[in-house]
Formats: sequence, structure tokens, C-alpha cells
Amino acid sequence: AQRVTQPEKLLSVFKGAPVELKCNYSYSGSPELFWYVQYSRQRLQLLLRHISRESIKGFTADLNKGETSFHLKKPFAQEEDSAMYYCALRTTSYDKVIFGPGTSLSVIP
Amino acid sequence: DAGITQSPRHKVTETGTPVTLRCHQTENHRYMYWYRQDPGHGLRLIHYSYGVKDTDKGEVSDGYSVSRSKTEDFLLTLESATSSQTSVYFCAISGPGTDYEQYFGPGTRLTVT
Repeated sequence: AQRVTQPEKLLSVFKGAPVELKCNYSYSGSPELFWYVQYSRQRLQLLLRHISRESIKGFTADLNKGETSFHLKKPFAQEEDSAMYYCALRTTSYDKVIFGPGTSLSVIP
Repeated sequence: DAGITQSPRHKVTETGTPVTLRCHQTENHRYMYWYRQDPGHGLRLIHYSYGVKDTDKGEVSDGYSVSRSKTEDFLLTLESATSSQTSVYFCAISGPGTDYEQYFGPGTRLTVT
């Protein structure tokens, strides 16, 4: 079965603290994983994808196929990072994308 | 905003009435999707389209139908709205031209009373 899980619905951290948003997946094929973000009153948008191996806004994510995880990390959280974060898995079936339930990140000043 | 719009942006309707939401793109992308967003469930795929007149069901398709008669428009219809369909609905597009990144519309907030 194809599935994406994000165990934390809500995550609160202080400004300047490290942050890690967890994501696990199940997929029988070769996974392509993404993190999407939704800031308040803005559209959902792509944050990063594992194949590009970029650091966007200080965030990084490493695909661990052994643990079937794609956790999102940032060493020093900023207030503007407060948002809803979705982990997503792209399947090869007509480009379907399966989203996790999302984690709401709140960065406390 | 990737040339994708949704209409209406807000709608309140009564149980049992039909409702149609429209997604319009100006990017000529192949794939279009309808999701609903609910607290605790994240984004769930309702239906998607991989070409004109080519559509398929997602994970929560019961009570919904779709049509795509031209590349730029993807319509979502609730044949007889129920309170459980109160939600925020998002349309998204993707294709080779986006490197398969999904671009989202602004959303439609639907309330069924």
C-alpha cells in the first residue's frame, strides 16, 4: 500500500532551536518524495524534493530508504517558518501524489 | 501563481443541492487534480485527470464526479451535497513542464448546511 505518515500534528519550538518534522512512507516502487509548505493565507507550495538535494530556506531532508523516512530538518528555527508542512510521495501512476496528514509548526519568539 | 484559478472561492449551500467547482489553468499542463483538505487528514485526492476526457478516482471519490472537456478546465461536481463534504477544496496541476512539481490553486471553502 502507498502511504505517507507524519506522526506529529502539532510541533512547537523556540526561535533558534533545531526543528525536525518526521515523515515516513510505504511504497513498493522507487520513491520520489517532496515537502510542501502552506504559510498562512498563502497557497500550498513546494519546499523541496529529495532528488534535488537542495537546501531551501535552511531546510534539508534526506531520503533514508532503509528506514523509509524523509525527515525535514532545520538547525535554527525562525518565526517565519511557522506554517503547515506536508510530506508527499509521487507515484509513477499518472503522476499521482499522496500527501501525509501534515504537521503544523509553530515557532515561538 | 502558475496560472491556476478556482471558482467560486467561497460557497455556502444546503444539504441535497448540487454544487460544481471549477479549476482553470492557463499553463496547458497535462495533469489536474482535486483534493480536499481537512484537519487531521491533510490533503486527500478526490479525482484526477491525465488528459482531456481522461479521469480517474482518488482515495475519497464517493459522492463526487469530475469532467474535463478541455485542457484548461477541470470541474468537480457534488451531485447532492452532504455536511461531510464541508471542506476546503484545492485544485492542482502538474506535468513535464513543471518537472512534476504540483502547483496549487487558492482553494475553495465550501460549507454545506
